[in-house]
Amino acid sequence: AQTVTQSQPEMSVQEAETVTLSCTYDTSESDYYLFWYKQPPSRQMILVIRQEAYKQQNATENRFSVNFQKAAKSFSLKISDSQLGDAAMYFCAYTGGFKTIFGAGTRLFVKA
Amino acid sequence: DTGVSQNPRHKITKRGQNVTFRCDPISEHNRLYWYRQTLGQGPEFLTYFQNEAQLEKSRLLSDRFSAERPKGSFSTLEIQRTEQGDSAMYLCASSPRGQLYNEQFFGPGTRLTVL
Repeated sequence: AQTVTQSQPEMSVQEAETVTLSCTYDTSESDYYLFWYKQPPSRQMILVIRQEAYKQQNATENRFSVNFQKAAKSFSLKISDSQLGDAAMYFCAYTGGFKTIFGAGTRLFVKA
Repeated sequence: DTGVSQNPRHKITKRGQNVTFRCDPISEHNRLYWYRQTLGQGPEFLTYFQNEAQLEKSRLLSDRFSAERPKGSFSTLEIQRTEQGDSAMYLCASSPRGQLYNEQFFGPGTRLTVL
């Protein structure tokens, strides 16, 4: 069975600094996607970034980038120039076939 | 495009009662997902529809849970004989036809409290 593990329940970062959130997963499939979703307090979950497993190049979206290590089954999220609006729960997710598996999440605090 | 909507937003019920939740996906999205999220945890996959066909169902979904998407548009999730352990946020998400691994667009959720 596929699993997704986020080992950091909470992280804190100073505004304008950089923070990295960790995620590891386990699967025997070769075709899958990985996602980072953001869930602000009392608001809907939204996509931050997506990585196709067959692509070696790491995905980037403005201040957000990933470090995808397929052999190590690692998928970390780097947030550069952190902003107060980045404060939220961040979930790493794996999609293979019809099912999506989420990690337990990392709560990110941003200090002004 | 008004996004994914879910009703009701909150539901309080007594143990043993049946409850039904509704999800209206983004129009023309043919993929629809239901998740359950408890406090401090990530969403837990319950079931997946492609159009009106239920193609995947979690083993966690007991016989008390059932979901339908009769015309391939809105979906309902019913919980029969609710238990206190069913208290959670129930999330619905939809994604467009095309790539199976498209982004999922989430609704605001229905918070269920079982007394």
